[in-house]
Amino acid sequence: ELKVEQNPLFLSMQEGKNYTIYCNYSTTSDRLYWYRQDPGKSLESLFVLLSNGAVKQEGRLMASLDTKARLSTLHITAAVHDLSATYFCASPPVGNTGKLIFGQGTTLQVKP
Amino acid sequence: DTAVSQTPKYLVTQMGNDKSIKCEQNLGHDTMYWYKQDSKKFLKIMFSYNNKELIINETVPNRFSPKSPDKAHLNLHINSLELGDSAVYFCASTPGTGGSGANVLTFGAGSRLTVL
Repeated sequence: ELKVEQNPLFLSMQEGKNYTIYCNYSTTSDRLYWYRQDPGKSLESLFVLLSNGAVKQEGRLMASLDTKARLSTLHITAAVHDLSATYFCASPPVGNTGKLIFGQGTTLQVKP
Repeated sequence: DTAVSQTPKYLVTQMGNDKSIKCEQNLGHDTMYWYKQDSKKFLKIMFSYNNKELIINETVPNRFSPKSPDKAHLNLHINSLELGDSAVYFCASTPGTGGSGANVLTFGAGSRLTVL
């Protein structure tokens, strides 16, 4: 059974700093999704990584996927307060892309 | 226009009552889902319908019954509500069920259910 684990689960950082959130998954999967959730809000898609070595970047966020290591990372560069949110990674069992198995979420708090 | 809309947004009710949550999507997607997010923010899939056919039915008490009258609508009815049912229920949709392409989930705003 596919399991997805994120670390850290909580991250408090200063503006301007860099940090990485890690997402490990337990069995073979061919894609990895990152979502953002603001408090009391819905989930918004950030990145979809569809192959080994895939890298996607938007603004201060960059996501990558290593399917051999079963690891995805979400790197934050020069954090700003607006990035404060909970970030989820999720992966589907092979061939069932709608049934996403979510990680526990990483709550990021960026302090001025 | 909201792509995936759910009603109601908030629902407060007593234990033992029956309640429904409705979901509609105007994206033309074939597949719709219900996910549950608990108080620790953990998200878990409950059901999925593809063009009105049930395709995913996770280990969920049979007090929960989804219904899809057409591919744009997916409702969730809950009988005999229990305290542990308190959560945020998210409806979502995708263009299809798998294959190539991103098949990204589009989520609704969520329906927060509180059982007293």
